[in-house]
Amino acid sequence: AQSVTQLGSHVSVSEGALVLLRCNYSSSVPPYLFWYVQYPNQGLQLLLKYTSAATLVKGINGFEAEFKKSETSFHLTKPSAHMSDAAEYFCAVSEYSNSGYALNFGKGTSLLVTP
Amino acid sequence: GAGVSQSPRYKVAKRGQDVALRCDPISGHVSLFWYQQALGQGPEFLTYFQNEAQLDKSGLPSDRFFAERPEGSVSTLKIQRTQQEDSAVYLCASSSGTGGLHEQYFGPGTRLTVT
Repeated sequence: AQSVTQLGSHVSVSEGALVLLRCNYSSSVPPYLFWYVQYPNQGLQLLLKYTSAATLVKGINGFEAEFKKSETSFHLTKPSAHMSDAAEYFCAVSEYSNSGYALNFGKGTSLLVTP
Repeated sequence: GAGVSQSPRYKVAKRGQDVALRCDPISGHVSLFWYQQALGQGPEFLTYFQNEAQLDKSGLPSDRFFAERPEGSVSTLKIQRTQQEDSAVYLCASSSGTGGLHEQYFGPGTRLTVT
């Protein structure tokens, strides 16, 4: 089964600093990878997805992620953090089975942005 | 257009009570997923519908959990004889297709608390 591991359950950055959230995947075949954001008491919103078209994927709100097969990684970055980026971030891998393409999520990383 | 909606948003149940959680997917979406998100964890897959057919229910924790989507649109997740370990946020997601490239759109979730 395909899975993802998010390193660091909590990350704190200063406003304007680089955001780096780590995700490593385990898959025997080229995966579909996703990053979702969850604000308090809200559902998940897709930030970006990797579908093998390009290794550097740009998403919404200035986020991007790079797929590195050699490192089995799909880390999420943003050059300059805003206060509004404070949220929970989930990396996920999509695996085909009887469940269609259900998402297998990591445990999440809580991003705190300080003034 | 409207996104995925879920009701109720919050539900408190005494242990042993039955509950029913409703999901209204985006109109025309073929695929519908239910996920369970425990506190501090990532969502975990429960079950998947393609139109009215329940193709996978392997993630349902026990036979107390039952889901249906009789007309291929609205779905209901029912939990019988609720237990404290059922306390979680239940997320519904819908997708316009059945492939891995199709984005899953999430509802805001129903927070179930079993006392």
